[in-house]
Amino acid sequence: GEDVEQSLFLSVREGDSSVINCTYTDSSSTYLYWYKQEPGAGLQLLTYIFSNMDMKQDQRLTVLLNKKDKHLSLRIADTQTGDSAIYFCAANMNTGFQKLVFGTGTRLLVSP
Amino acid sequence: DAGVIQSPRHEVTEMGQEVTLRCKPISGHDYLFWYRQTMMRGLELLIYFNNNVPIDDSGMPEDRFSAKMPNASFSTLKIQPSEPRDSAVYFCASSLAQAGGNTQYFGPGTRLTVL
Repeated sequence: GEDVEQSLFLSVREGDSSVINCTYTDSSSTYLYWYKQEPGAGLQLLTYIFSNMDMKQDQRLTVLLNKKDKHLSLRIADTQTGDSAIYFCAANMNTGFQKLVFGTGTRLLVSP
Repeated sequence: DAGVIQSPRHEVTEMGQEVTLRCKPISGHDYLFWYRQTMMRGLELLIYFNNNVPIDDSGMPEDRFSAKMPNASFSTLKIQPSEPRDSAVYFCASSLAQAGGNTQYFGPGTRLTVL
């Protein structure tokens, strides 16, 4: 089955760019997602990318997809302290598109 | 439009008691998912429904867990009897099926503590 992996922790300074990485195993995944979870809250959809795209930009967020390496990244430009949260990568499964497989989450800490 | 609504937000109970968690999906969505989140195991899919019918319950830990969706706007997750290891945050999510994709919207979660 699909497996999604992320590094556990990232620390950056305010104003720097953050890059959160994710790898997945199922090359037939058609949609890949980034969710953000703030303390005590549910998962909030940030953005997603369709598998036939290489890049998607949405304000400060840039998603890059390397299908050959099954690698997904989320870049946050001009990172702010309010961006401190856990970021989850998720991929839909090739059987049953409705199921998503989530990574373990990357905890982003932004220091002033 | 209101998002996914879950109740209660916090639940503290004693071992052996029955616990019922509730979820109201986004209106018009045809898929509903129940997840459990713990530090040790991360985010686990427990069960999901399509048009009120359970499709995959392979993630339900054991017979103590049951879920129902009597109509398109309401679902419950029940634990009977509860055990301390059930302590976790339980999330409900809903989505609308689209060709080739699925974007799930999560509720705020119910934090369950079993003493």
